[in-house]
Amino acid sequence: EAQVTQNPRYLITVTGKKLTVTCSQNMNHEYMSWYRQDPGLGLRQIYYSMNVEVTDKGDVPEGYKVSRKEKRNFPLILESPSPNQTSLYFCASSLKVTYEQYFGPGTRLTVT
Amino acid sequence: AQSVTQPDIHITVSEGASLELRCNYSYGATPYLFWYVQSPGQGLQLLLKYFSGDTLVQGIKGFEAEFKRSQSSFNLRKPSVHWSDAAEYFCAVDLKAAGNKLTFGGGTRVLVKP
Repeated sequence: EAQVTQNPRYLITVTGKKLTVTCSQNMNHEYMSWYRQDPGLGLRQIYYSMNVEVTDKGDVPEGYKVSRKEKRNFPLILESPSPNQTSLYFCASSLKVTYEQYFGPGTRLTVT
Repeated sequence: AQSVTQPDIHITVSEGASLELRCNYSYGATPYLFWYVQSPGQGLQLLLKYFSGDTLVQGIKGFEAEFKRSQSSFNLRKPSVHWSDAAEYFCAVDLKAAGNKLTFGGGTRVLVKP
């Protein structure tokens, strides 16, 4: 089944404790992206990657890192999480830049 | 800066009634336009998209949307709503620039009354 998977689905952590949210797609998509969803703000792009080893900032990149060492994986790293990063995070992928994006199920992160 | 506006935060509609969700964008050229639906606890699912051509596009689950260039709008419609349509709906635009950034509206939550 073609899909985008994220892990973990739920995470509660404390301020400053490094964490990684994994994202993997099995559709051989070139393009991958991370979004955060906050009430009333819709989804905002954090980082995106147009291919292996090619990443760039989205609208709200502060406090986040990403890497794209393999085509299928695009982990999101929070090296020192803060409470304002409490949010619902979505990974998405698409075959090419202008194609429709497929979204993962989301990761709900709480930072206390 | 480009933006996407969904003026209605919440809409309540009776089952069987028609539904229209509004979306306006501000951008000089015509972007790629999308509507996504998010059911409770779920990720986003693409309902339909507009790239070019016929301005009335059909999507899944009986939804359609009409692109109106003069109004910079891309409103979503469904003639007869089902209880399973209760969800949050997001309009999004892709500015066709490098990076394929989707800019989302704030979302409209749809409640369906029996």
